[in-house]
Amino acid sequence: EDQVTQSPEALRLQEGESSSLNCSYTVSGLRGLFWYRQDPGKGPEFLFTLYSAGEEKEKERLKATLTKKESFLHITAPKPEDSATYLCAALYRDDKIIFGKGTRLHILP
Amino acid sequence: EPEVTQTPSHQVTQMGQEVILRCVPISNHLYFYWYRQILGQKVEFLVSFYNNEISEKSEIFDDQFSVERPDGSNFTLKIRSTKLEDSAMYFCASTRQLNQPQHFGDGTRLSIL
Repeated sequence: EDQVTQSPEALRLQEGESSSLNCSYTVSGLRGLFWYRQDPGKGPEFLFTLYSAGEEKEKERLKATLTKKESFLHITAPKPEDSATYLCAALYRDDKIIFGKGTRLHILP
Repeated sequence: EPEVTQTPSHQVTQMGQEVILRCVPISNHLYFYWYRQILGQKVEFLVSFYNNEISEKSEIFDDQFSVERPDGSNFTLKIRSTKLEDSAMYFCASTRQLNQPQHFGDGTRLSIL
């Protein structure tokens, strides 16, 4: 069964405390792995696309990496404004996309 | 920066009534999508639309659902006879090319009474 699993479900960090979020995927014919940020009451906001194992993308305090089975979103020295739900989604076959349940990240000042 | 816009932001409807959710995708995008997110659950794919026809649909997208691009700018989702379990946030998304990230609107919260 095609699926995307994110862990942990929720994470509380102190401001400046770095950590990583995990996204494991089992889909046939992965075409791309997307990371999104979702704030309460808003739609997902695009962060990164990764297409092949070994690829890395960076933006400010965030870095996304991809292997053949999972992706990580590393958060370095987070700030309270980084608090949000982080979603990963796998694009596979022709145009199918499946989302994980997300990780709710809360950064304490 | 161009964005996907959705209206209304909140729709309250009696069970059994028809509802139409509206979206204006980004103007030069070619692929259009509808998703739903039940409160506290994950974003679920409903349907994708390209070249004026459905290209993929999920099991959720049954005969009660339909999509339309009535003109060059709007993309609509119709639910013919709403059920209580249709209550959710509905997101529209668009992209210019397959394999490119989809850009989402802020959603319509649909409440079925």
